[in-house]
Amino acid sequence: QVQLVQSGAEVKKPGSSVKVSCKASGGTFSSYTISWVRQAPGQGLEWMGRIIPILGIANYAQKFQGRVTITADKSTSTAYMELSSLRSEDTAVYYCARELMSRGGSYNWFDPWGQGTLVTVSS
Amino acid sequence: SSELTQDPAVSVALGQTVRITCQGDSLRSYYASWYQQKPGQAPVLVIYGKNNRPSGIPDRFSGSSSGNTASLTITGAQAEDEADYYCNSRDSSGNHHVVFGGGTKLTVL
Repeated sequence: QVQLVQSGAEVKKPGSSVKVSCKASGGTFSSYTISWVRQAPGQGLEWMGRIIPILGIANYAQKFQGRVTITADKSTSTAYMELSSLRSEDTAVYYCARELMSRGGSYNWFDPWGQGTLVTVSS
Repeated sequence: SSELTQDPAVSVALGQTVRITCQGDSLRSYYASWYQQKPGQAPVLVIYGKNNRPSGIPDRFSGSSSGNTASLTITGAQAEDEADYYCNSRDSSGNHHVVFGGGTKLTVL
Protein backbone atom coordinates (compact mmCIF):
# COMPACT_ATOMS: atom_id res chain seq x y z
CA GLN A 1 0.00 0.00 0.00
CA VAL A 2 0.96 3.64 -0.28
CA GLN A 3 3.39 4.96 2.32
CA LEU A 4 4.61 8.52 2.76
CA VAL A 5 7.90 9.21 4.54
CA GLN A 6 8.85 12.76 5.41
CA SER A 7 12.17 14.43 6.07
CA GLY A 8 13.43 15.13 9.57
CA ALA A 9 12.84 17.95 12.03
CA GLU A 10 14.14 21.43 11.24
CA VAL A 11 15.05 24.48 13.29
CA LYS A 12 14.97 27.76 11.39
CA LYS A 13 15.55 31.44 12.04
CA PRO A 14 12.77 33.97 11.50
CA GLY A 15 12.80 35.26 7.95
CA SER A 16 14.38 32.13 6.50
CA SER A 17 12.80 29.34 4.45
CA VAL A 18 12.26 25.63 5.04
CA LYS A 19 11.77 22.83 2.54
CA VAL A 20 10.17 19.60 3.69
CA SER A 21 10.13 16.46 1.57
CA CYS A 22 7.61 13.63 1.36
CA LYS A 23 8.69 10.43 -0.40
CA ALA A 24 6.01 8.06 -1.61
CA SER A 25 6.23 4.34 -2.10
CA GLY A 26 3.63 1.94 -3.40
CA GLY A 27 1.07 2.86 -6.02
CA THR A 28 1.69 5.26 -8.89
CA PHE A 29 3.01 8.58 -7.64
CA SER A 30 2.08 10.53 -10.73
CA SER A 31 -1.57 9.66 -10.29
CA TYR A 32 -1.75 10.95 -6.71
CA THR A 33 -2.68 14.31 -5.38
CA ILE A 34 -0.45 15.25 -2.45
CA SER A 35 -1.66 17.82 0.05
CA TRP A 36 0.20 19.51 2.88
CA VAL A 37 -1.48 20.09 6.23
CA ARG A 38 0.07 21.71 9.25
CA GLN A 39 -0.68 21.57 12.96
CA ALA A 40 0.62 24.19 15.36
CA PRO A 41 1.31 23.01 18.93
CA GLY A 42 -1.96 22.18 20.67
CA GLN A 43 -3.96 23.35 17.65
CA GLY A 44 -6.02 21.82 14.88
CA LEU A 45 -5.27 20.81 11.32
CA GLU A 46 -4.83 23.47 8.64
CA TRP A 47 -4.74 22.74 4.91
CA MET A 48 -1.96 24.56 3.09
CA GLY A 49 -2.21 23.40 -0.49
CA ARG A 50 -1.81 20.52 -2.91
CA ILE A 51 -0.01 19.35 -6.02
CA ILE A 52 -1.11 17.01 -8.78
CA PRO A 53 2.22 15.58 -9.99
CA ILE A 54 0.91 14.25 -13.30
CA LEU A 55 -0.20 17.76 -14.22
CA GLY A 56 2.46 19.67 -12.32
CA ILE A 57 -0.30 21.92 -11.02
CA ALA A 58 -0.36 23.25 -7.47
CA ASN A 59 -2.91 25.33 -5.66
CA TYR A 60 -2.66 26.98 -2.31
CA ALA A 61 -4.81 28.13 0.57
CA GLN A 62 -5.33 31.87 0.50
CA LYS A 63 -3.54 32.25 3.83
CA PHE A 64 -0.29 30.87 2.43
CA GLN A 65 -0.48 32.24 -1.12
CA GLY A 66 2.83 33.86 -2.02
CA ARG A 67 4.72 32.22 0.81
CA VAL A 68 4.38 28.50 0.06
CA THR A 69 5.56 26.52 -2.94
CA ILE A 70 4.62 22.88 -3.42
CA THR A 71 6.45 20.87 -6.05
CA ALA A 72 6.88 17.24 -7.03
CA ASP A 73 9.66 15.20 -8.61
CA LYS A 74 8.11 12.28 -10.44
CA SER A 75 11.50 10.63 -10.98
CA THR A 76 11.96 10.15 -7.23
CA SER A 77 8.26 10.02 -6.21
CA THR A 78 8.88 12.90 -3.85
CA ALA A 79 6.78 15.95 -3.08
CA TYR A 80 8.15 19.09 -1.48
CA MET A 81 6.71 21.95 0.49
CA GLU A 82 8.74 25.11 0.83
CA LEU A 83 7.60 27.87 3.17
CA SER A 84 9.38 31.21 3.12
CA SER A 85 9.57 34.30 5.34
CA LEU A 86 9.21 32.11 8.39
CA ARG A 87 7.90 33.56 11.63
CA SER A 88 7.40 32.08 15.07
CA GLU A 89 3.74 31.35 14.27
CA ASP A 90 4.91 28.89 11.60
CA THR A 91 6.24 26.57 14.30
CA ALA A 92 4.21 23.44 13.67
CA VAL A 93 4.21 19.83 12.57
CA TYR A 94 3.85 19.68 8.80
CA TYR A 95 2.17 16.64 7.27
CA CYS A 96 1.89 15.45 3.73
CA ALA A 97 -1.06 13.26 2.82
CA ARG A 98 -2.45 11.66 -0.29
CA GLU A 99 -5.70 13.37 -1.19
CA LEU A 100 -8.43 11.43 -2.96
CA MET A 101 -11.75 12.56 -4.30
CA SER A 102 -14.99 10.76 -5.07
CA ARG A 103 -16.00 10.34 -8.70
CA GLY A 104 -18.66 13.02 -8.57
CA GLY A 105 -16.52 15.30 -6.42
CA SER A 106 -18.96 15.21 -3.51
CA TYR A 107 -16.23 14.47 -1.01
CA ASN A 108 -12.49 14.24 -0.56
CA TRP A 109 -10.34 12.50 1.97
CA PHE A 110 -6.72 12.16 3.07
CA ASP A 111 -5.10 8.75 3.35
CA PRO A 112 -2.41 7.88 4.19
CA TRP A 113 -0.54 10.61 6.02
CA GLY A 114 3.18 11.04 6.42
CA GLN A 115 4.63 10.80 9.91
CA GLY A 116 4.95 14.59 10.19
CA THR A 117 7.91 16.97 10.27
CA LEU A 118 8.36 19.37 13.16
CA VAL A 119 9.53 22.80 12.03
CA THR A 120 10.60 25.11 14.82
CA VAL A 121 11.09 28.80 14.07
CA SER A 122 13.18 30.49 16.71
CA SER A 123 15.83 33.15 16.92
CA SER B 1 -13.59 30.50 2.71
CA SER B 2 -15.84 28.05 4.51
CA GLU B 3 -15.50 27.05 8.16
CA LEU B 4 -16.31 23.84 9.98
CA THR B 5 -17.27 23.98 13.65
CA GLN B 6 -16.77 21.14 16.14
CA ASP B 7 -17.38 20.95 19.86
CA PRO B 8 -13.98 21.22 21.57
CA ALA B 9 -14.57 18.30 23.94
CA VAL B 10 -16.96 15.39 24.35
CA SER B 11 -16.96 12.54 26.84
CA VAL B 12 -18.53 9.11 26.80
CA ALA B 13 -18.76 6.24 29.26
CA LEU B 14 -16.97 3.08 28.26
CA GLY B 15 -19.21 0.95 26.03
CA GLN B 16 -21.72 3.71 25.39
CA THR B 17 -22.50 5.54 22.15
CA VAL B 18 -21.18 8.98 21.33
CA ARG B 19 -21.84 11.35 18.44
CA ILE B 20 -19.29 13.93 17.38
CA THR B 21 -20.64 16.68 15.15
CA CYS B 22 -19.23 19.02 12.52
CA GLN B 23 -21.21 22.01 11.24
CA GLY B 24 -20.65 24.26 8.29
CA ASP B 25 -22.17 25.65 5.11
CA SER B 26 -19.89 23.53 2.93
CA LEU B 27 -21.62 20.41 4.32
CA ARG B 28 -24.80 21.38 2.45
CA SER B 29 -22.84 20.65 -0.75
CA TYR B 30 -20.19 18.14 0.28
CA TYR B 31 -19.86 15.17 2.59
CA ALA B 32 -17.35 15.22 5.43
CA SER B 33 -14.50 12.85 6.12
CA TRP B 34 -13.23 12.10 9.62
CA TYR B 35 -9.83 11.51 11.18
CA GLN B 36 -8.65 10.18 14.53
CA GLN B 37 -5.47 11.58 15.99
CA LYS B 38 -3.77 10.27 19.10
CA PRO B 39 -1.08 12.26 20.93
CA GLY B 40 2.17 12.44 19.02
CA GLN B 41 0.77 10.59 16.00
CA ALA B 42 -0.36 11.52 12.53
CA PRO B 43 -4.10 11.60 11.82
CA VAL B 44 -5.74 8.39 10.66
CA LEU B 45 -8.75 8.28 8.36
CA VAL B 46 -11.76 6.62 10.02
CA ILE B 47 -14.72 7.62 7.81
CA TYR B 48 -14.86 9.13 4.34
CA GLY B 49 -17.79 10.42 2.41
CA LYS B 50 -21.36 9.42 3.17
CA ASN B 51 -20.37 6.48 5.41
CA ASN B 52 -17.33 4.63 4.13
CA ARG B 53 -14.85 2.94 6.45
CA PRO B 54 -11.27 2.21 5.37
CA SER B 55 -10.10 -1.34 5.90
CA GLY B 56 -8.96 -1.92 9.44
CA ILE B 57 -11.32 0.61 11.00
CA PRO B 58 -13.78 -1.08 13.39
CA ASP B 59 -17.43 -1.08 12.42
CA ARG B 60 -18.34 0.76 15.61
CA PHE B 61 -17.37 3.92 13.67
CA SER B 62 -20.04 5.30 11.37
CA GLY B 63 -20.83 8.57 9.64
CA SER B 64 -24.00 10.44 8.73
CA SER B 65 -25.04 13.80 7.42
CA SER B 66 -28.08 16.09 7.53
CA GLY B 67 -28.30 19.63 6.26
CA ASN B 68 -25.22 21.53 7.37
CA THR B 69 -24.18 18.95 9.96
CA ALA B 70 -22.04 15.84 9.63
CA SER B 71 -21.75 13.35 12.47
CA LEU B 72 -19.31 10.67 13.48
CA THR B 73 -20.87 8.05 15.74
CA ILE B 74 -18.96 5.57 17.83
CA THR B 75 -21.26 2.77 18.98
CA GLY B 76 -19.81 1.05 22.04
CA ALA B 77 -16.83 3.34 22.65
CA GLN B 78 -13.61 1.65 23.73
CA ALA B 79 -10.76 3.05 25.79
CA GLU B 80 -8.57 3.10 22.67
CA ASP B 81 -11.03 5.48 20.98
CA GLU B 82 -9.91 8.30 23.26
CA ALA B 83 -8.35 10.76 20.83
CA ASP B 84 -8.87 13.99 18.92
CA TYR B 85 -11.27 13.78 15.99
CA TYR B 86 -11.26 16.11 13.01
CA CYS B 87 -13.68 16.54 10.13
CA ASN B 88 -12.88 17.96 6.72
CA SER B 89 -14.77 18.78 3.57
CA ARG B 90 -14.24 20.53 0.30
CA ASP B 91 -14.59 24.29 0.48
CA SER B 92 -17.86 25.44 -1.07
CA SER B 93 -16.34 28.72 -2.26
CA GLY B 94 -15.62 27.14 -5.64
CA ASN B 95 -11.86 27.34 -5.27
CA HIS B 96 -11.25 23.57 -4.82
CA HIS B 97 -9.75 24.23 -1.41
CA VAL B 98 -10.15 22.19 1.75
CA VAL B 99 -11.46 23.02 5.19
CA PHE B 100 -10.92 21.24 8.50
CA GLY B 101 -12.92 21.48 11.68
CA GLY B 102 -11.19 22.64 14.83
CA GLY B 103 -11.23 19.16 16.33
CA THR B 104 -13.04 17.41 19.19
CA LYS B 105 -11.21 15.85 22.12
CA LEU B 106 -13.01 12.62 23.01
CA THR B 107 -12.58 11.33 26.54
CA VAL B 108 -13.70 7.77 27.35
CA LEU B 109 -14.65 7.55 31.01
